[in-house]
Amino acid sequence: GAVVSQHPSWVICKSGTSVKIECRSLDFQATTMFWYRQFPKQSLMLMATSNEGSKATYEQGVEKDKFLINHASLTLSTLTVTSAHPEDSSFYICSARGGQGSNQPQHFGDGTRLSIL
Amino acid sequence: RKEVEQDPGPFNVPEGATVAFNCTYSNSASQSFFWYRQDCRKEPKLLMSVYSSGNEDGRFTAQLNRASQYISLLIRDSKLSDSATYLCVVGLNTGGFKTIFGAGTRLFVKA
Repeated sequence: GAVVSQHPSWVICKSGTSVKIECRSLDFQATTMFWYRQFPKQSLMLMATSNEGSKATYEQGVEKDKFLINHASLTLSTLTVTSAHPEDSSFYICSARGGQGSNQPQHFGDGTRLSIL
Repeated sequence: RKEVEQDPGPFNVPEGATVAFNCTYSNSASQSFFWYRQDCRKEPKLLMSVYSSGNEDGRFTAQLNRASQYISLLIRDSKLSDSATYLCVVGLNTGGFKTIFGAGTRLFVKA
């Protein structure tokens, strides 16, 4: 089946650090990639949607300058949490979708647990 | 009204039981439908796509009723390993593809 790799799995760093998370589709071309965050016992919250080669579309309330998304190729998207603070601590998950048909499911990466001290 | 609604549960069932999850969606233009499962502190994994004619994969059966805008998932002969959160997912094209996740239904299968 389709494989999406996300790296790193865990990040622990000091407040003020910028953190970069990578999301790669390993065996398919991801025309669209999605970035989510999830707090404990809560639902997935979509942060942004990105199509290869174009600017990401951010959901309402998500700061573009805080969460920088780059989707430079059909197999790689990155999320950079700039100047992270403790309230940014969360589980960040990417997903990727290939093809243009509406029946294409999303495939998720393993997620990144971000802890800001 | 939420775009995709699910009973949050939790559902507590004994091993071997049959359990059904329901999901409703509000946008009649929705085009694709999926069930995902998410284990605690893990990423969601695709369980099955849902087709108009209904489809079955082993112990799992998914049904779609477009007229009622309703999706269901039936799990037969529940196993301990079925314990997870089940997410109803709807896809639609509104000038760009959009996926909407339900909040999920928690299932606990007990010995």
